Amino acid sequence: KNQVEQSPQSLIILEGKNCTLQCNYTVSPFSNLRWYKQDTGRGPVSLTIMTFSENTKSNGRYTATLDADTKQSSLHITASQLSDSASYICVVSPSGTYKYIFGTGTRLKVLA
Amino acid sequence: GAVVSQHPSRVICKSGTSVKIECRSLDFQATTMFWYRQFPKKSLMLMATSNEGSKATYEQGVEKDKFLINHASLTLSTLTVTSAHPEDSSFYICSARDVGRVTGNTIYFGEGSWLTVV
Repeated sequence: KNQVEQSPQSLIILEGKNCTLQCNYTVSPFSNLRWYKQDTGRGPVSLTIMTFSENTKSNGRYTATLDADTKQSSLHITASQLSDSASYICVVSPSGTYKYIFGTGTRLKVLA
Repeated sequence: GAVVSQHPSRVICKSGTSVKIECRSLDFQATTMFWYRQFPKKSLMLMATSNEGSKATYEQGVEKDKFLINHASLTLSTLTVTSAHPEDSSFYICSARDVGRVTGNTIYFGEGSWLTVV
């Protein structure tokens, strides 16, 4: 069964600190892995997209990594800001389909 | 960047009535749109895949007669919750696939619609 699991479920950090969110998946084969940021009550916004052959992708203070061998991805947030408080969702797309398998999400809270 | 607009953003309806939610791709064509439901503090749950000019494909467990989906044009898909009940209260989100792009981000999400059934 295709699954995408994220950890931790929730995380609280102080402003200015770095953090890393994890995503483990069983989807295979897959065409791409995406990280989204979702503010409460809003639609998800794309942060990074990686194909199965890519290892890393950056978007400002967000850096995603992908290890296709271990089926793990991580999202590293550098110098966190209060506005980073949101849910971060890992999404994997199986090959040959436009469907997307959503992870359980990590709720990040950045405190001043 | 590409924009997907959902309307209404919030709606309150009486139990037993029907409510329609629109999903529009504003600056691109979308042959495929997706409808999701999201419960508080939970991830998105795919309800159905909406294909322009054909019947929607529903996920297992989703009642197609209760959640009517119409994708009549390349820029518009609608979700109608029929005979709504309080348990249908939720956050509904659509996404649209940009057929004009083959690389990079090709999926864009709407801002979501809060439905409250009283």
